[in-house]
Amino acid sequence: AQSVTQLDSQVPVFEEAPVELRCNYSSSVSVYLFWYVQYPNQGLQLLLKYLSGSTLVKGINGFEAEFNKSQTSFHLRKPSVHISDTAEYFCAVSDSSYKLIFGSGTRLLVRP
Amino acid sequence: KAGVTQTPRYLIKTRGQQVTLSCSPISGHRSVSWYQQTPGQGLQFLFEYFSETQRNKGNFPGRFSGRQFSNSRSEMNVSTLELGDSALYLCASSSSRRASEKLFFGSGTQLSVL
Repeated sequence: AQSVTQLDSQVPVFEEAPVELRCNYSSSVSVYLFWYVQYPNQGLQLLLKYLSGSTLVKGINGFEAEFNKSQTSFHLRKPSVHISDTAEYFCAVSDSSYKLIFGSGTRLLVRP
Repeated sequence: KAGVTQTPRYLIKTRGQQVTLSCSPISGHRSVSWYQQTPGQGLQFLFEYFSETQRNKGNFPGRFSGRQFSNSRSEMNVSTLELGDSALYLCASSSSRRASEKLFFGSGTQLSVL
């Protein structure tokens, strides 16, 4: 069975500092990987996705993620965060069963 | 293009009652999925509908059911409510049934069971 582990439940960071949110997945088959963001009182919004090809994926709002098959990781990064990036971030995988398996989420707190 | 619309936004029910939640997908989207979000369990897949047929189901009891209409709108029903059913219920739509497809989420229905 597939699973997704987000190693940090909360990541505090100062504005304009870089950030990395970690994600590891467990799957014996080829999967698609996603990062979604949830702002307060809103639904989820896709940041980026990895399907195949280049292991470095660029998304919206300056975020990027790197797929590492040997380490089964898909960490999300941003070189300089803003206050408006404060939100909960979810890593997810899907396969041919067409359902998303989400990690437990990482709350990013950006401080001035 | 209007986004995914979920109604109502908030619901308060008591144990034993039943509840129906509604989801209108983005125009042209034929796939609708439902997820339950709780602080303890996170986001869990409930079920997915495509062309009025349930195509996939998560690990939830039979008290949770749903349906999809010919216009792709979907409803989710929970019968005999329990305290543990308190959660944010999210609906998502997509234009196809590809696993690589982006999902568009609504803002959710916050259900409180007292």
